[in-house]
Order: sequence, then C-alpha cells, then structure tokens
Amino acid sequence: DTGVSQDPRHKITKRGQNVTFRCDPISEHNRLYWYRQTLGQGPEFLTYFQNEAQLEKSRLLSDRFSAERPKGSFSTLEIQRTEQGDSAMYLCASSLLTGVGNTIYFGEGSWLTVV
Amino acid sequence: AQSVAQPEDQVNVAEGNPLTVKCTYSVSGNPYLFWYVQYPNRGLQFLLKYITGDNLVKGSYGFEAEFNKSQTSFHLKKPSALVSDSALYFCAVRENTGGFKTIFGAGTRLFVKA
Repeated sequence: DTGVSQDPRHKITKRGQNVTFRCDPISEHNRLYWYRQTLGQGPEFLTYFQNEAQLEKSRLLSDRFSAERPKGSFSTLEIQRTEQGDSAMYLCASSLLTGVGNTIYFGEGSWLTVV
Repeated sequence: AQSVAQPEDQVNVAEGNPLTVKCTYSVSGNPYLFWYVQYPNRGLQFLLKYITGDNLVKGSYGFEAEFNKSQTSFHLKKPSALVSDSALYFCAVRENTGGFKTIFGAGTRLFVKA
C-alpha cells in the first residue's frame, strides 16, 4: 500500500494524558499536512511541513500541540494534557511540492476520544 | 482569505436520478478547486479537481464538476445516482499563487434512496 498511513486509528485516553499520532506520507511527497475534523464539520487546517520544516501553524494549534517531521519523512502530532475538546479525528495528508494544483491525499485518520 | 460554502447540509435523490451537490468559493486570485468524498469513519478520498482549462472536469466513479468563474461556483454532478454514492462530500479551494493551504467546506451529506 503506497497511500498515507496513520497510527493508531483509534485512541481513547483520560483527560490530562498525553497522546501521540504518527503519519507516514506517500513516499515521494515533500509536503505534509495535519487537519482536525469534528463531527459535522469539514477538515480544519492545523499545520504544514515542507520536507522537515514546519512552515505554518494554525491558531487552532495551542501550545499543548506539537508536530514534528524530523527527517522529512514521517511526522508525529503530540497532544499534551488532553482535554475533552480535543476529541476529534486527526487527519494527515501529503502532496508533491513541484507541479501545478497538486492534489493532497489523506490517510484514514486517527480518532481521539478524551474521557 | 479563502473560504468555501456548501449551502446544503443534505441532498436527497432517488437512485437513477441526476444529482447535484453545490459549492461556492471565495479566493483573492484564481482558484484550484477540489471535491472529496468521505465514507463513515474513513479519511477523505479525492474525486476530481479543477486547475485550468475546460470548465467541465470529470473524475472518479462517474462524477463531474462544472467550474463557473462568474458565479464562483464548482458544483458536483452525476447523471445517474447510485445507492453506493451515499456519503459525505467536501468541496475545497486553494489559491493558485503557490500557496499550500487547502480550505474545506463543512460538507454535504448525500443520501440516495433505492
């Protein structure tokens, strides 16, 4: 399978705990994105990497959230001191850097439930 | 700033009938436009996109979309709906000035009745 891979698919955690999600993008894709989706809403942009550089962070990404892409390949999204409002699906996507109108391709998402 | 509006929360259509899912957008310059479909508990799957050229673009599973610059719309269409088309559909826009941020609408749920 050469698509975007996310792990874990589902995570239930107690409020106050830390969680980490991993994303493996399509192998030749330089761009990597994290989005958050809550029920009844479309995906909301969280952050963007071009290779290993994090070039933009949304205001939605509070200081409890941190994302890395250390070698320009896989990425991790960590949420510290989780709150119930963090419950959502976290979507990773990737695309090529060069070209025109490149499509972003999504993984299957990581569902987070904070109890 | 970019934005996307999907004015209908839900569209109901009978199997075999044509379907339309509406989308309007706002960008500073010219847009790249996309449609995605989402099935329950799954990620988003790419259907089709408009970059430039012909205003009618064809995509996966028999879907097509028409770009209308004057009306800033990009409606998704299919001539004959299938029950299996029932899903959540998202329209998305990105500015064509080299930007990277793709903005999504809130989604439209399509229900196709047998």
